[in-house]
Amino acid sequence: EDQVTQSPEALRLQEGESSSLNCSYTVSGLRGLFWYRQDPGKGPEFLFTLYSAGEEKEKERLKATLTKKESFLHITAPKPEDSATYLCAVQARNNRGSTLGRLYFGRGTQLTVWP
Amino acid sequence: DAGVIQSPRHEVTEMGQEVTLRCKPISGHNSLFWYRQTMMRGLELLIYFNNNVPIDDSGMPEDRFSAKMPNASFSTLKIQPSEPRDSAVYFCASTMITSGGSSPVITGELFFGEGSRLTVL
Repeated sequence: EDQVTQSPEALRLQEGESSSLNCSYTVSGLRGLFWYRQDPGKGPEFLFTLYSAGEEKEKERLKATLTKKESFLHITAPKPEDSATYLCAVQARNNRGSTLGRLYFGRGTQLTVWP
Repeated sequence: DAGVIQSPRHEVTEMGQEVTLRCKPISGHNSLFWYRQTMMRGLELLIYFNNNVPIDDSGMPEDRFSAKMPNASFSTLKIQPSEPRDSAVYFCASTMITSGGSSPVITGELFFGEGSRLTVL
């Protein structure tokens, strides 16, 4: 069964302390990998899409990278406003080869950045 | 442009009652998704529609759940009868899906509403 696993479940960083979040996946036929940010009481908000191994995307203090088995979300010099839950999702081609628009989400990493 | 609009934002009901959640997707999007989020299971896809047609409802828990999309600007998720284990935050999301080779590709991203928090007592 296709799976998306995120680690760690929770991460506490001091402001300015860089780190990385991990998303590993076992889906076959990856069509795309997505990173989302979710603030408490809100719906997830899109950050990045990655389509192929070796691809990288950047936005402010965040950089997402992709390999054949996992993706990393690197956070450089985080600020308290970066505190949120970060979700990873993958879109896969299913084994019947039929059309598939669904995304499989991981459980997320809850990031807390303290001053 | 207004985002995805969901109502109600909060719903508290008693076991056995019917619950109807509503969603207005972003104008111009051709696909709509219903997700459920709980602490235990995270975000789970319940059903998604493409051009108002249900494409994948394999995530719908059981016959108590039903979803409709009568037109491109409105969808409902109904639970009848509701049970305490249905308590969760229900999200609606919309996007544009285009054909891409052997399977459609989600272009861009999913735009989520702010969710409907359901509590069944």
